Amino acid sequence: AQKVTQAQTEISVVEKEDVTLDCVYETRDTTYYLFWYKQPPSGELVFLIRRNSFDEQNEISGRYSWNFQKSTSSFNFTITASQVVDSAVYFCALSEAVTDKLIFGTGTRLQVFP
Amino acid sequence: SAVISQKPSRDICQRGTSLTIQCQVDSQVTMMFWYRQQPGQSLTLIATANQGSEATYESGFVIDKFPISRPNLTFSTLTVSNMSPEDSSIYLCSVDGGLNTGELFFGEGSRLTVL
Repeated sequence: AQKVTQAQTEISVVEKEDVTLDCVYETRDTTYYLFWYKQPPSGELVFLIRRNSFDEQNEISGRYSWNFQKSTSSFNFTITASQVVDSAVYFCALSEAVTDKLIFGTGTRLQVFP
Repeated sequence: SAVISQKPSRDICQRGTSLTIQCQVDSQVTMMFWYRQQPGQSLTLIATANQGSEATYESGFVIDKFPISRPNLTFSTLTVSNMSPEDSSIYLCSVDGGLNTGELFFGEGSRLTVL
């Protein structure tokens, strides 16, 4: 069965600190996709990244970076020099290759204080 | 990217009534998904709706409670039937970005409160 675990329920940091959000997944599929979404207080889900199971290259986008490690079934997300606007709930998700159905983790609430 | 509009954005409903949520996409998409997010919880897939076929429901969700229509490639509705306070949630429509973009887009959600 597919499962996504985000063990960190809530993280609080002060602005400019770096923070890493953990994501561990389980799947029997050899082809799958991993996602991160941001849900700010306004409620909408903002797509951040999608990574397929065959691409283990880490990715950096501005202050955001992602570390995909198949050996540990993890897809961690790091925000460098956090800002107050980064305060949100972050969801990690896994999808089957064929159906695009998303299995979400329980989310990590990040609070960045000024 | 796909732009998704959901209506209503929020509503307060009485127990025992039904409410239909609409999802309109600005482009033709093959798959549309309906998710539920209960207060303070993660998102759970209710069903997958493909145009021209019956929706496929996930375990724990049934058509009688959550009937779905998918009349064309840009529109879908989800009805929450015979509502109870436990149905108070945000209901989100999602579509794939098409052309194998790998992006899955979400509407802003419909926040339902059942009294």
